[in-house]
Amino acid sequence: GAVVSQHPSWVICKSGTSVKIECRSLDFQATTMFWYRQFPKQSLMLMATSNEGSKATYEQGVEKDKFLINHASLTLSTLTVTSAHPEDSSFYICSARWRSGRPVFGPGTRLTVL
Amino acid sequence: GIQVEQSPPDLILQEGANSTLRCNFSDSVNNLQWFHQNPWGQLINLFYIPSGTKQNGRLSATTVATERYSLLYISSSQTTDSGVYFCAVERETSGSRLTFGEGTQLTVNP
Repeated sequence: GAVVSQHPSWVICKSGTSVKIECRSLDFQATTMFWYRQFPKQSLMLMATSNEGSKATYEQGVEKDKFLINHASLTLSTLTVTSAHPEDSSFYICSARWRSGRPVFGPGTRLTVL
Repeated sequence: GIQVEQSPPDLILQEGANSTLRCNFSDSVNNLQWFHQNPWGQLINLFYIPSGTKQNGRLSATTVATERYSLLYISSSQTTDSGVYFCAVERETSGSRLTFGEGTQLTVNP
């Protein structure tokens, strides 16, 4: 079946540094990728939607200059958390879909900012 | 935006018991999915069920689109069923975006 991977699976960084998270569709082409954030014991909140070759669409309240999203190819999207702070510590999950197909979710990346 | 409410928020069962999880949504949807999030955070798709009834082993789901709710049934629960169950919906006008409910935390004790 369709598989989505994320790298890294977990990362610890110092406050003020930038962190890049990759989301790859391994056996299908993803016309659309979605990035979610999940705080402990909470639900998934959509951060942004990215379509291959175009700018991401951010949800209300999500700072686009802080969470940079690039969807340069049909199999790769990246989320860069710039100047990370402890409040950015969270579980980041991506999902990918081909056209109107069902979204496939990645395993998530746990970010801890010290 | 659309509101998705799940109940109960927490559920504790003894192994072998049956349970029903509910998802209410505030507007018409063209997609509804049930997910199980395991202790490592991986979301596992259980059902894609915008309407009707589906069964997969000990799990089954029913969505009554006209009344805007969906039910997930777990029979003969096992300890491996523990985790968080999410309902997520997609509206035709939402640009393929899923809106998740707050989830039901299920604990199955041996």
